[in-house]
Amino acid sequence: EAGVAQSPRYKIIEKRQSVAFWCNPISGHATLYWYQQILGQGPKLLIQFQNNGVVDDSQLPKDRFSAERLKGVDSTLKIQPAKLEDSAVYLCASSLIGEVDTQYFGPGTRLTVL
Amino acid sequence: SQQGEEDPQALSIQEGENATMNCSYKTSINNLQWYRQNSGRGLVHLILIRSNEREKHSGRLRVTLDTSKKSSSLLITASRAADTASYFCARPSGTYKYIFGTGTRLKVLA
Repeated sequence: EAGVAQSPRYKIIEKRQSVAFWCNPISGHATLYWYQQILGQGPKLLIQFQNNGVVDDSQLPKDRFSAERLKGVDSTLKIQPAKLEDSAVYLCASSLIGEVDTQYFGPGTRLTVL
Repeated sequence: SQQGEEDPQALSIQEGENATMNCSYKTSINNLQWYRQNSGRGLVHLILIRSNEREKHSGRLRVTLDTSKKSSSLLITASRAADTASYFCARPSGTYKYIFGTGTRLKVLA
């Protein structure tokens, strides 16, 4: 079974630039999560989708972050414009619907903002 | 902080020794999970322990949960160099999400 795919694996940008991350969940997983993990900290949930609807985006900085999951499968997380403090690993995870305690994580995208 | 507290923040041991890391939390929970994260990789689920369980085993891993003290511990026995990783506890928040702790960075020296 293929795992959660993310791309790119690494990204370096200048502050105020834009960046987008892509995630393809495990086939059949209706729930998709984006986490931000700052160095030395645990992952923090940014947004959770169930199919193509948003379940929770309470910790998403909506002035600069946006995410979509148009067809209920792949998802894109965008930052525009990026700030230095956005440097982090962005993790995508997926789970079967209703099984939030069994999340499968992708390898993450390491973002460095200079 | 809404994250749980884990200690120690970092732990360095020799191969073959046991490693113990702890997680404390503030609100009542019905389960708690432990994850491992190797350098540059995503998180891998290790064990979920429910509030009616005091102890759970998986291979060389042993997890305990003390709901009266609001704490959990993860014990790795006979550690190997491959166990070098960061370990996180995660507790549920509401019905549909988990909050992760700050993690313990374990280094196992060969």
